[in-house]
Amino acid sequence: EVLLVESGGGFVQPGGSLRLSCAASGFALSDYWMHWVRQAPGKGLEWVSYVNNDGSGTVYAASVRGRFTVSRDNAKNTVFLQMNSLRAEDTAVYYCVRSTDYFDSWGQGNVVTVSS
Amino acid sequence: DIVMTQSPDSLAVSLGERATINCKSSQPVLYSPNNKNRITWYQQKPGQSPKVLIYWASTREAGVPDRFSGSGSGTDFTLTISSLQAEDVAVYYCHQYYSSPYTFGQGTKLEIK
Repeated sequence: EVLLVESGGGFVQPGGSLRLSCAASGFALSDYWMHWVRQAPGKGLEWVSYVNNDGSGTVYAASVRGRFTVSRDNAKNTVFLQMNSLRAEDTAVYYCVRSTDYFDSWGQGNVVTVSS
Repeated sequence: DIVMTQSPDSLAVSLGERATINCKSSQPVLYSPNNKNRITWYQQKPGQSPKVLIYWASTREAGVPDRFSGSGSGTDFTLTISSLQAEDVAVYYCHQYYSSPYTFGQGTKLEIK
């Protein structure tokens, strides 16, 4: 069974940092691109970033570019999202997502709250 | 960026009746190698992660009831629920995985009339 479990979220003040982790199991992480998607309270889905199979390629949404960094450790079956210079508008549930021809498996989500 | 626009924003349908949700992309999302549109439909219930219903615009995900179907071409796509069940109450999203940023529609809230 494919399982994606996010962790590392929580409460942080504006300007602070958090590092999200996504532990993958049930499949070979190195075979897949991985994404982060977020959902602000009561709002829709927003794609944030992806990292390719070996971590050599990353792309970011304009809203987080220069502040967020995605990475992966295939040997540890884990994907990361380092979030710096956090803003109130980054408050959301963050989902770790696997993609094949589509976004086929989603984690349960991890809440990040940015507030003073 | 490709803008995905869903209509309507909300929809109330009687049990057993048909529900239709539309999604329009601001540019074509046709994947040339297989001549299929890179559109996915998701269902999201409160407090849950999105669940895949349809991918490649019209391919039903394994385990999804056959009352759910997807269609469309060019820039216009449709999700149809042929006979609404109580458990179908949810928010539905379309999504393009053709070019980054991989944008979503704003969502359509489906309720029982």
